[in-house]
Amino acid sequence: GNSVTQMEGPVTLSEEAFLTINCTYTATGYPSLFWYVQYPGEGLQLLLKATKADDKGSNKGFEATYRKETTSFHLEKGSVQVSDSAVYFCALSEKPGGTSYGKLTFGQGTILTVHP
Amino acid sequence: DADVTQTPRNRITKTGKRIMLECSQTKGHDRMYWYRQDPGLGLRLIYYSFDVKDINKGEISDGYSVSRQAQAKFSLSLESAIPNQTALYFCATSVSGSSTDTQYFGPGTRLTVL
Repeated sequence: GNSVTQMEGPVTLSEEAFLTINCTYTATGYPSLFWYVQYPGEGLQLLLKATKADDKGSNKGFEATYRKETTSFHLEKGSVQVSDSAVYFCALSEKPGGTSYGKLTFGQGTILTVHP
Repeated sequence: DADVTQTPRNRITKTGKRIMLECSQTKGHDRMYWYRQDPGLGLRLIYYSFDVKDINKGEISDGYSVSRQAQAKFSLSLESAIPNQTALYFCATSVSGSSTDTQYFGPGTRLTVL
């Protein structure tokens, strides 16, 4: 079956530090890949996505590149802010035609805390 | 106004009680989902519905049931709540025919079973 593995947290950084959250996956074929973010007390919001190998998703200074050869989709940001403190989830979805199309598989989430 | 709403936002109940969590959406999406979030486990799919007449079990459906009353409404019921159903519950929606299946989440319901 499909699975997503994220680096263990929590992650604590100082403001303006560089962020990497690792994500690797196991899936049939070439899934779509997502990063969702959950701010305190809120639901999940889509942060960025990529649909095919070598695609780079980006939003709000965050980036992730779809690496087929390493089955990875690591999240990066060059300079984090206090407002980036949240829980980050990596997820995948099979393409149309896949047996699990329409269902997201999530990683366990990584808690990020950014201090001033 | 929020596109995906959930009621109640917080609920405390006792073991053995029947509980219903409700989800409504104004996005016009045909697909709706119920997830459960537990610390360190990410989100796990309970039930999903690809249209009003199509309801399917997810990976952890035991102890839960659902009802799709209309395209915009999808309810989750716990027939006899137990303490290990204490969790954060999320409803989500998506649209069929999308190549990327992006899902949109409600704000969540925090359920505590004593």
